[in-house]
Amino acid sequence: DQQVKQNSPSLSVQEGRISILNCDYTNSMFDYFLWYKKYPAEGPTFLISISSIKDKNEDGRFTVFLNKSAKHLSLHIVPSQPGDSAVYFCAASELGSGGGADGLTFGKGTHLIIQP
Amino acid sequence: NAGVTQTPKFRVLKTGQSMTLLCAQDMNHEYMYWYRQDPGMGLRLIHYSVGEGTTAKGEVPDGYNVSRLKKQNFLLGLESAAPSQTSVYFCASSFRDPPRFFGPGTRLTVL
Repeated sequence: DQQVKQNSPSLSVQEGRISILNCDYTNSMFDYFLWYKKYPAEGPTFLISISSIKDKNEDGRFTVFLNKSAKHLSLHIVPSQPGDSAVYFCAASELGSGGGADGLTFGKGTHLIIQP
Repeated sequence: NAGVTQTPKFRVLKTGQSMTLLCAQDMNHEYMYWYRQDPGMGLRLIHYSVGEGTTAKGEVPDGYNVSRLKKQNFLLGLESAAPSQTSVYFCASSFRDPPRFFGPGTRLTVL
């Protein structure tokens, strides 16, 4: 049973436009969400996170939105740049309820391709 | 700062062979993790450690053992490798949950 779903395996966006990556979850106990970015042959890099007490968190060109009632979060990248081409993983944790390290569940990832 | 490093980068084993993957971090992090990533899958936690001398099982611990004898090192052992353990292995570290810094990965093939 997949608790964190990234339903788009890939997404193609033109350079300069907005990239929107989506993530759905089923476990209502998740209270902390993260996005990681991964280039080929490298390890994932932490990008941005959001706690369930917020509905938005912004860091430069990256903004994560959380809709708890819909159990949905999205990552917006504005404007998209060629270096943003990578695989993006959504992850969720039951941090507040003491879920700990073993409570971090990853989605399968979305491959974002930025076209010139 | 080297961050999180992993040794080796690539390895091919025959079924039944053993090996140890080494993870090292120079950020004085308490938490260290071992994940595996299989094609088309998200990362899955194998084992983790919340401090020197401690280890705990993750989601997929079977067939693996770990040790954290020094704070900066986290070793992952395969006692008798199986083809199902063919994967890319990532080590990560953090001051606390969840993991923030990942190593570059070890690509392991078991024939």
